[in-house]
Amino acid sequence: EVHLLESGGGLVQPGGSLRLSCAASGFTFSNYAVIWVRQAPGKGLEWVSGISNTGGSTSYADSVKGRFTISRDSSKNTLYLQMSSLRAEDTAVYYCAKLREGYFSSTIDYWGQGTLVTVSS
Amino acid sequence: DIVMTQSPDSLAVSLGERATINCKSSQSVLYGFNNKNYLAWYQQKPGQPPKLLIYWASARESGVPDRFSGSGSGTDFTLTISSLQADDVAVYYCQQYYTTPHAFGQGTKVAIK
Repeated sequence: EVHLLESGGGLVQPGGSLRLSCAASGFTFSNYAVIWVRQAPGKGLEWVSGISNTGGSTSYADSVKGRFTISRDSSKNTLYLQMSSLRAEDTAVYYCAKLREGYFSSTIDYWGQGTLVTVSS
Repeated sequence: DIVMTQSPDSLAVSLGERATINCKSSQSVLYGFNNKNYLAWYQQKPGQPPKLLIYWASARESGVPDRFSGSGSGTDFTLTISSLQADDVAVYYCQQYYTTPHAFGQGTKVAIK
């Protein structure tokens, strides 16, 4: 059974940094692209960043480009999101999600339960 | 970037009646090489992550009831719930995965009338 477990969320001050992790199990992690999607309180879904199966290709939403860095460690079956220069508008539940293929042009087939990031002084 | 726009923002339908949600993309998500539309639909219930319902615009995910169907091509797509059940109360999102960023629509909230 596919399982994605996010961690690392919490309260951080504006301008601060945080690193999210997503531990994957139940599938061969190195075969699939994985992404981060966020959802601000009471709002819709926003695609944040993605990384291909090999890690050789990454992509970012304009809203986070230059501030967030996505990476993966296939030896640990873990996805990361390093977030810096955080703003109030980054406050959201951050979901880790698996794509159906190793590349970006494929649908999301599994989601984690999410971790809440709150940016506030 | 591709922008996805859903309509309506919300709708209320009687149990057993049809619910229809529309999704429009700012540019075509049909890839001519394989003739596939890179469009998915998700269902999200309160306090839960989204769940995949439809991919390739019309392919139903395994385990999804057949009252859910997707149609459309190019820039205009529709999710239809043929006979609304109480368990279908949720927010529904379309998403294009043709090119990054894989934008979502703003969501459509479905309620029981």
